[in-house]
Amino acid sequence: DGGITQSPKYLFRKEGQNVTLSCEQNLNHDAMYWYRQDPGQGLRLIYYSQIVNDFQKGDIAEGYSVSREKKESFPLTVTSAQKNPTAFYLCASSISGKGTEAFFGQGTRLTVV
Amino acid sequence: AQSVTQLDSQVPVFEEAPVELRCNYSSSVSVYLFWYVQYPNQGLQLLLKYLSGSTLVKGINGFEAEFNKSQTSFHLRKPSVHISDTAEYFCAVRPQNTGKLIFGQGTTLQVKP
Repeated sequence: DGGITQSPKYLFRKEGQNVTLSCEQNLNHDAMYWYRQDPGQGLRLIYYSQIVNDFQKGDIAEGYSVSREKKESFPLTVTSAQKNPTAFYLCASSISGKGTEAFFGQGTRLTVV
Repeated sequence: AQSVTQLDSQVPVFEEAPVELRCNYSSSVSVYLFWYVQYPNQGLQLLLKYLSGSTLVKGINGFEAEFNKSQTSFHLRKPSVHISDTAEYFCAVRPQNTGKLIFGQGTTLQVKP
C-alpha cells in the first residue's frame, strides 16, 4: 500500500540524548514536512524539504536537524539542545506543485524523561 | 508572514444539530485552503480543499466550506453531525508562492448524544 510510515509509534528517551524519528514514503512525493503537535497549539512546522538534498527551516527549527538524502526518506533528529522535546511529531508529504494537499503519517509520540 | 486563526478551541454540539467551525487567515499573497480532521493519536486526514473557482467546496463525510476572500475566512460546516464526527479539526493555508503549509491551532468538535 502507498503511504507514509513513521516509526516507532511511541519513543522514550532520557534527557540529554539525541533521538532520530523515521519517516518514509512510497508515494513518489517530492516535498516532505515535519510538524510538532502540542495540546492547544495546533501543528507547528519544524522543517520542510521540497527536493532531495535541500530543506528549509520552519517556525520552530531550533534544537532539531533533518536530512534529505533520498526522495523517500526525511528523518528528524531531536537534539539535546531542544528544551522541551516531549510532543507528538507528524511527518507529511505532498506532490510539489500548486494546491496539492499533504498526506500524513500516523505520528510518533516522543517522551523524554 | 502568513497565519491561521481558528476562532473556537472547543465546539460542543448535540447529535443531528448543524455545526460551523470558523477559520480566518492572514496572508499578503493568494493562498490555497484546506481542512483536515484528526482522530485521537492518529495522523491528519484531508476533508476538503479550495484551490480556485466556486467558493463553496464540498468534502468527505458531508462537510462543506465556503471561501470568503473579502473576509479572509474559510469556515467549515455540516448540516447534521454524528457522534462519529467527534474529533479535532484543523484549518491550513498554503501560500501560492511557497511550499509551506501552515496550520491553525485546531478546534475540538464534541458531539453529544
